[in-house]
Amino acid sequence: KQEVTQIPAALSVPEGENLVLNCSFTDSAIYNLQWFRQDPGKGLTSLLLIQSSQREQTSGRLNASLDKSSGRSTLYIAASQPGDSATYLCAVRPSRGSTLGRLYFGRGTQLTVWP
Amino acid sequence: NAGVTQTPKFQVLKTGQSMTLQCAQDMNHNSMYWYRQDPGMGLRLIYYSASEGTTDKGEVPNGYNVSRLNKREFSLRLESAAPSQTSVYFCASSERPASSQETQYFGPGTRLLVL
Repeated sequence: KQEVTQIPAALSVPEGENLVLNCSFTDSAIYNLQWFRQDPGKGLTSLLLIQSSQREQTSGRLNASLDKSSGRSTLYIAASQPGDSATYLCAVRPSRGSTLGRLYFGRGTQLTVWP
Repeated sequence: NAGVTQTPKFQVLKTGQSMTLQCAQDMNHNSMYWYRQDPGMGLRLIYYSASEGTTDKGEVPNGYNVSRLNKREFSLRLESAAPSQTSVYFCASSERPASSQETQYFGPGTRLLVL
């Protein structure tokens, strides 16, 4: 069974810092890996999706990398801002198994960026 | 274009009561999913529907039933609510589960408290 782990569980940094969130998964047979953002009391918003054949994806100040063979992904946030405060979730989509489209989620990293 | 909508936003039930959580999407997506999110557990798949007319169990289906009413709507029913079903429920949809570029779009969630 695929298991997804995110480290750290919580992170508090001052505004302007560059930071890295980590995600690891146990089964490298994946179609893709996604990073989501969840604001308190809200749903999930997809930030970046990396296909299994890709090494990284970038969107603005966000950069996500994928090392499928080692089962690791990192989300890099440059020049953090208070508006980045949220919970960041990592999810993988297995390429084998019977559940089409199913995502396996990590427990998330709760990020606080203070002014 | 509202995306994925869920009703109600919040509900309090007594043990043994029944209720139906409603979900609708206006993106003409084929696949729809129900997840639950518990503190420290991450999101877990309850049921999914790969296409109109089909439904299948996910990781934690016990105590739930689903109906794919049409392509737009996917409902989740609790026949006899239990305190263990206190959670936040998210509905999601995706266009084509067979695509490695698939992104799932999430609704805002339903917060359910069972007393």
